[in-house]
Amino acid sequence: EVQLVESGGGLVQPGGSLRLSCAASGFTFSSHAMSWVRQAPGKGLEWVSVIRGSGDYTYYTNSVKGRFTISRDNSKSTLYLQMNTLRAEDTAVYYCAKNNDNSSYSASDSWGQGTLVTVSS
Amino acid sequence: DIVVTQSPDSLAVSLGERATINCKSSQSVLYSSDNKNYFAWYQQKPGQSPKLLIYWASTRESGVPDRFSGSGSGTDFTLTISSLQAEDVAVYYCQQYYSTPFTFGPGTKVDIK
Repeated sequence: EVQLVESGGGLVQPGGSLRLSCAASGFTFSSHAMSWVRQAPGKGLEWVSVIRGSGDYTYYTNSVKGRFTISRDNSKSTLYLQMNTLRAEDTAVYYCAKNNDNSSYSASDSWGQGTLVTVSS
Repeated sequence: DIVVTQSPDSLAVSLGERATINCKSSQSVLYSSDNKNYFAWYQQKPGQSPKLLIYWASTRESGVPDRFSGSGSGTDFTLTISSLQAEDVAVYYCQQYYSTPFTFGPGTKVDIK
């Protein structure tokens, strides 16, 4: 059974940093692209970033480019999202998702329960 | 960026009746090299994480009931629930994964009439 468990969310001041982690199990982690998708309170889904299985290709939505960094440690089956220079508009539940292929250009077939990031002074 | 729109914003359907949700992308998501539409549908029930229903526009994810079907190509796509059940109450999102950023539609809320 696929399991994705996010951690690292919390309350942070504007301009601050957080690192989210997603511990994966139940599948061959290195064979799948992984994504981060966020959802602001009461709003729709917003795709944030994706990383290929080998970690060699990464893509970001425009609003987080230069501030967020997606990475993975295949030896630990863990996905990360380093978030710097956080803004109020980054406040959201952040979901880790497994893609159904090694290619970044694939759909997300399993999702974690999400971790809440609140950016506020 | 590709803009994905959905219609309607919400709909209420009687139990056992058909529900239809439409999505339109601002440019084609059909990749000529593999003849695949890079388009997916997700279901999000209240208080839950999203769940993949359909990918490649019409391929049903394993375990998804066959009352859910996806159709369309290029820029216009449809999710059909052939016989609405109580457990189908949710918000449904479409997504293109043809070109980054992989944009979602704004969502369609489905309720029971």
